[in-house]
Amino acid sequence: GAVVSQHPSRVICKSGTSVKIECRSLDFQATTMFWYRQFPKQSLMLMATSNEGSKATYEQGVEKDKFLINHASLTLSTLTVTSAHPEDSSFYICSFDRGETQYFGPGTRLLVL
Amino acid sequence: ILNVEQSPQSLHVQEGDSTNFTCSFPSSNFYALHWYRWETAKSPEALFVMTLNGDEKKKGRISATLNTKEGYSYLYIKGSQPEDSATYLCAHNSNSGYALNFGKGTSLLVTP
Repeated sequence: GAVVSQHPSRVICKSGTSVKIECRSLDFQATTMFWYRQFPKQSLMLMATSNEGSKATYEQGVEKDKFLINHASLTLSTLTVTSAHPEDSSFYICSFDRGETQYFGPGTRLLVL
Repeated sequence: ILNVEQSPQSLHVQEGDSTNFTCSFPSSNFYALHWYRWETAKSPEALFVMTLNGDEKKKGRISATLNTKEGYSYLYIKGSQPEDSATYLCAHNSNSGYALNFGKGTSLLVTP
């Protein structure tokens, strides 16, 4: 089966710092991948769509200068939360598109103090 | 229906019971309906992808049906086992390669 890793699984940081989350597909390549986030008691919500080698497309209300996405290869994408604030505390999860199905990482729990 | 709605929000059954969940989704601009099984601290596991009205899919004790005209899908688990305990997510997308629009999930707990 398709395996996606995501690191770190959990991170606690101080307000104002930046946090980088890595998402890697281990046994397949994909051009398109997605970043979602989930706030408590809410559904997974799309943040941005990323195609390898291109700039990401962000959903309305998601600041592109705050959530930097680097999708430099067919197996690796990173999401950097810059100058994190407590309201950025959430669960972040990536997925790679593989035709009919998307394959997800296990997610990253971010807590900003 | 504008969003994906799942019911019930949570469910607690005894081992051996059969159970089912409902997913409602917008019937317009429909491409595919996805079911995922998500255990804590793990990646969501793809269970089914269904595209055609009337589709029925089965994987062991788990099966799913799809009605695209009225915008709903059912997930059935026959003879629930404790290892079936997880959150079951339903999502749809409007085209191949498009992002998924998720429901909030149904949390299932199966006790011995």
